[in-house]
Amino acid sequence: EAGVVQSPRYKIIEKKQPVAFWCNPISGHNTLYWYLQNLGQGPELLIRYENEEAVDDSQLPKDRFSAERLKGVDSTLKIQPAELGDSAVYLCASSLGFANTEAFFGQGTRLTVV
Amino acid sequence: SQQGEEDPQALSIQEGENATMNCSYKTSINNLQWYRQNSGRGLVHLILIRSNEREKHSGRLRVTLDTSKKSSSLLITASRAADTASYFCATDGANDYKLSFGAGTTVTVRA
Repeated sequence: EAGVVQSPRYKIIEKKQPVAFWCNPISGHNTLYWYLQNLGQGPELLIRYENEEAVDDSQLPKDRFSAERLKGVDSTLKIQPAELGDSAVYLCASSLGFANTEAFFGQGTRLTVV
Repeated sequence: SQQGEEDPQALSIQEGENATMNCSYKTSINNLQWYRQNSGRGLVHLILIRSNEREKHSGRLRVTLDTSKKSSSLLITASRAADTASYFCATDGANDYKLSFGAGTTVTVRA
């Protein structure tokens, strides 16, 4: 069974440019998470979806970040415009449900803004 | 902001020794989970302990949970070089089901 797939693995962009990340969760997983991880830190939740509904986006900087999960399967996370401080690893994870279930993580997208 | 805090931040041990790390959290939880992250890789789930459980074992891993103290510990017995990684605790919030991670403990196992 394929795991959580993210693309691209690496992205280098200039500041003020837009960027998008894509995530394909494990088949049948209703819950999808986007996390941001800075070097030496733990993942910080940006947004959580239950099927196609964003149930927790309280930590998503909505002035520049947006996300969508069409048909409750794949998801994209977009930053426009990117800032230097957005350089980090963006992790996608999925789980069967939102309670008492483990999360499966993708390899992440390492974003460098120059 | 992060819900959990791991202690110590870093740990260096000899192969064959045991490694213990602790996690403290602030709010009520449904469960607490431990994850491992090797350098430059994704996070891998190790073990989940529910709020009504006190201890759980999985292979060389032993996890305890004390909800009265809002703390958990992860013990890795007979460590191996392959255990070198960062270990994170994650709490599943009782009210919001938010899976929140701590800053992690970096474990180095010396051959």
